[in-house]
Amino acid sequence: GDSVTQMEGPVTLSEEAFLTINCTYTATGYPSLFWYVQYPGEGLQLLLKATKADDKGSNKGFEATYRKETTSFHLEKGSVQVSDSAVYFCALKTGGGNKLTFGTGTQLKVEL
Amino acid sequence: NAGVTQTPKFQVLKTGQSMTLQCAQDMNHEYMSWYRQDPGMGLRLIHYSVGAGITDQGEVPNGYNVSRSTTEDFPLRLLSAAPSQTSVYFCASSSEQTHTDTQYFGPGTRLTVL
Repeated sequence: GDSVTQMEGPVTLSEEAFLTINCTYTATGYPSLFWYVQYPGEGLQLLLKATKADDKGSNKGFEATYRKETTSFHLEKGSVQVSDSAVYFCALKTGGGNKLTFGTGTQLKVEL
Repeated sequence: NAGVTQTPKFQVLKTGQSMTLQCAQDMNHEYMSWYRQDPGMGLRLIHYSVGAGITDQGEVPNGYNVSRSTTEDFPLRLLSAAPSQTSVYFCASSSEQTHTDTQYFGPGTRLTVL
């Protein structure tokens, strides 16, 4: 079945540091890939998505490229801020319907 | 638009009690889902619906019932709560059946079963 593996957290960075959160997947067919973010005490919000190989999703300075050859969708940001502190979830969806398969989430803490 | 709303935000139950978690969306979305979020396990799908009158089981359906009488509402029922159902519950909706479509999440209900 489908699965998503993302790096264990928590990740602690200083403000303005470079961020990478690794995500790899296993899927039947050709999935769409998503990064969701959950700020403290809130629900999940879509951060970015990519729907086919070599697509790059981007939003709020975050980027991720759909790499079919390595089955990866790593999240990157060049300079993190304290306000980026949150839990980040990688997810995929295949075929029709609305079933998302999530990774376990990676907590990011950014300090001054 | 209020988006996806959930009530209550917090709930404490005793083992064996029943309750209904409410979910509503005002985006005219056909597809709605319930997930539970547990530490170290990400989100897991409980039940989902592809339209009014149609529901199906997800990954972890045991102990939960759903119904979808209107497009807007998708309540989740716990008939006899158990401590293993202590979790944070999220409702989500999306507009299309294609795999590219974005799901929109509610703010969650934090449930504790004693």
